[in-house]
Formats: sequence, structure tokens, C-alpha cells
Amino acid sequence: KAGVTQTPRYLIKTRGQQVTLSCSPISGHRSVSWYQQTPGQGLQFLFEYFSETQRNKGNFPGRFSGRQFSNSRSEMNVSTLELGDSALYLCASKLGTHNYGYTFGSGTRLTVV
Amino acid sequence: AQSVTQLDSQVPVFEEAPVELRCNYSSSVSVYLFWYVQYPNQGLQLLLKYLSGSTLVKGINGFEAEFNKSQTSFHLRKPSVHISDTAEYFCAVSPGGQGGSEKLVFGKGTKLTVNP
Repeated sequence: KAGVTQTPRYLIKTRGQQVTLSCSPISGHRSVSWYQQTPGQGLQFLFEYFSETQRNKGNFPGRFSGRQFSNSRSEMNVSTLELGDSALYLCASKLGTHNYGYTFGSGTRLTVV
Repeated sequence: AQSVTQLDSQVPVFEEAPVELRCNYSSSVSVYLFWYVQYPNQGLQLLLKYLSGSTLVKGINGFEAEFNKSQTSFHLRKPSVHISDTAEYFCAVSPGGQGGSEKLVFGKGTKLTVNP
């Protein structure tokens, strides 16, 4: 079965712009989480959605937002981009509410110039 | 809250040598423990997980890890590494059970380099 699909794979944006990243979970998975990976901070949790509801949010400014659609696909949006937002953004999906069973996508590499 | 410490940021080894990547965690509740591998320009692939039961967990690609509750450790081992094992390895923890915060907390990663 298809894995977690993230689009686009690579993205270059200018400071001040906004960006939307997309994540399609494994079929049947209802939970989607987002993580930011940078060389300095490592892997940091952004937010988690289950059945279109945000269940948990990490310690990121309000410029970072997300949503989940009825088909479980999720998008995250970053407004007013800063150079420090350059990172690999990873999406993970899982079937239900247990705290295991995450499958990660290949990520979207965002570069802010 | 949980935290994870990976004691070595880089581990160089020769091909066919054994390797151990160290991971210690901190938590006030029961936990699930994971090891993920990341190859360049790719996402995270699950190597193995500890949920409950036997403390020795076997994973893919010949890796295994041992959960030690008293030492709060979950070290990853492989008896003989290959060039293809060169990658970055992440230890992660989440609260046991369901519900709750439902997030993975990751260590900073260990870059394993296997030399010929």
C-alpha cells in the first residue's frame, strides 16, 4: 500500500512569503503529525491532528498553522517566512490514538532566502 | 514530560565490526521507545520499537535494542555493520498507552559512518 506522501519535495521561498505544505497519510490512517527538522534544533513536534481536530500543538509561533480534511489529508501553513524556517518538514501518520505506529513521509525541504 | 539523550553525536566504525548506539531517556510515566534511521534526503524509517514485554527487541536490517528500565536506557546494537548502514539514527520516546500528548520526543541523533 502507498506510504505517506508529502508534496512538494523541495521548495524555495523568499522571506516574508507564506507557504503551504501537503501530507497525504496512509489509507485508513486518521492521525497526522508534523515535525520540523533542523541541524541546530533537531526534530521538533509542530502539531497533531486526529479526525480533523488539532489534538496537540508544539512550542512554535502562531505563524505555523495546520489543518486536516475529512479524507485525513493534512496541510501546514507558515506565514511571514523567516530565514530560520528553513528546514525539513516531516509528516507522520498513524491509524488511531495509540502512541505508536507512526509512519513518516520523505519530507518537504523548505529553503527560505 | 519526556526527554531523550543520545550520548554520541558521531560514531565511526569499520565494516563488519559491531556497533552500539547509546540512548537514555527520562520520563515520569511508562513509555514506548523507538529507533528510527534516516538516510540522506529521506524521511525516518522505523528500525524497531519497544511497547511492552520482552526487553530485547529485534528490528529490521539485523538491528536489536535492549530496554533497561532501571538504567532508563534503550541502546541499539548490531553485531556486524555494512557500508549501507551509514546513516543517522534517532532514538525517540512517547508516553505509553493511548491518548495523552501523543507526540514523539526525539534525541539529537547519532551519525553512524561505516568505513571500508
